[in-house]
Amino acid sequence: KAGVTQTPRYLIKTRGQQVTLSCSPISGHRSVSWYQQTPGQGLQFLFEYFSETQRNKGNFPGRFSGRQFSNSRSEMNVSTLELGDSALYLCASSLQGTLSGANVLTFGAGSRLTVL
Amino acid sequence: GQNIDQPTEMTATEGAIVQINCTYQTSGFNGLFWYQQHAGEAPTFLSYNVLDGLEEKGRFSSFLSRSKGYSYLLLKELQMKDSASYLCAVMDSNYQLIWGAGTKLIIKP
Repeated sequence: KAGVTQTPRYLIKTRGQQVTLSCSPISGHRSVSWYQQTPGQGLQFLFEYFSETQRNKGNFPGRFSGRQFSNSRSEMNVSTLELGDSALYLCASSLQGTLSGANVLTFGAGSRLTVL
Repeated sequence: GQNIDQPTEMTATEGAIVQINCTYQTSGFNGLFWYQQHAGEAPTFLSYNVLDGLEEKGRFSSFLSRSKGYSYLLLKELQMKDSASYLCAVMDSNYQLIWGAGTKLIIKP
């Protein structure tokens, strides 16, 4: 069974630009979560979508947004990029999502964003 | 605030045993997870603890003490492929995962 697919894997942008990242979850998984990972810091939770609805949101500015489509694929968008947005953006899917305690996440390989 | 602490880096020898500790202070508790992340790869699920005690899964075991806000991951019979970062994460009362910065484990022959 196919895993979680994230595209693009690598991208370079300049300050002020915007970027859209895509995530295709495991078939049958309705929950998609997004995380930012930077060296020396833990994964920072961005948001979670379940059945096209944003169910949970982390403490990121409004420049970070996301959405989920009817086929459970998800996109996240970052507008007006800043140097500090350079990071690995990980997407994870799960069956039930965060309202289930034993919520095992399956991660994609990530999209590495560099902002110059 | 919410906080997860784990050592930044540990070194161990092939064939030995290593214990990676994780202490947490969170608003509520709905379970603790350990994930393994090889360099340049996606994190993969290792274990989940919600009740106190030891959960064993092959060479890996995970322990939880909720009263102490403490967990550890025990790796036995270390192999070179165990060189990776190990991430501790706690699910808080809002069912949001709070992650530690990860422990980079280096295995030497």
